[in-house]
Amino acid sequence: ETGVTQSPTHLIKTRGQQVTLRCSSQSGHNTVSWYQQALGQGPQFIFQYYREEENGRGNFPPRFSGLQFPNYSSELNVNALELDDSALYLCASSLGGGEAETQYFGPGTRLLVL
Amino acid sequence: AQSVTQLGSHVSVSEGALVLLRCNYSSSVPPYLFWYVQYPNQGLQLLLKYTSAATLVKGINGFEAEFKKSETSFHLTKPSAHMSDAAEYFCAVSFTGFQKLVFGTGTRLLVSP
Repeated sequence: ETGVTQSPTHLIKTRGQQVTLRCSSQSGHNTVSWYQQALGQGPQFIFQYYREEENGRGNFPPRFSGLQFPNYSSELNVNALELDDSALYLCASSLGGGEAETQYFGPGTRLLVL
Repeated sequence: AQSVTQLGSHVSVSEGALVLLRCNYSSSVPPYLFWYVQYPNQGLQLLLKYTSAATLVKGINGFEAEFKKSETSFHLTKPSAHMSDAAEYFCAVSFTGFQKLVFGTGTRLLVSP
């Protein structure tokens, strides 16, 4: 069984640029959630997708957007990058979007904005 | 607002000693509670979760946690620390009707020989 994978592992961008991060869900999982983990902090929920539809959003501006594809892989897009966007971005997949479901995390993409 | 507090950003123990990592939550509705571990340069791995069945939950690697509603706590324990337990530990909570995890700020466990 393949776990959650993310690409790329590291990325360096400059302020104002746009970035796309990718995530492949664990086999059989139809829900993906994205989290931002700033240095020294716990992960913060960005949004969740269930069967290709946004299913909940955290306190992040609209320049953070996402997609989920028919094969349940997912993308996180961030426009107009700011220095504070530098963080580890984690993708988590689960079977269903329920509050008791276990979310399985990928290794993350570390983004540095200069 | 729902929140999670982890007391102690760093906890140091000797190998073989008891591990106790503290987690308190605030909620007016029954929560679901999770403990995750994060090793350096890796994602989060689930240790255990509470979903309103038994209040004492056993997880992987010898860890367990007890849900105490009266104290709004879900502390993580392990009777005997191992060097390989050194990592960052996160307590997280989700609530009925909310499809997200709310994480604490984490506790770094240091294990000395």
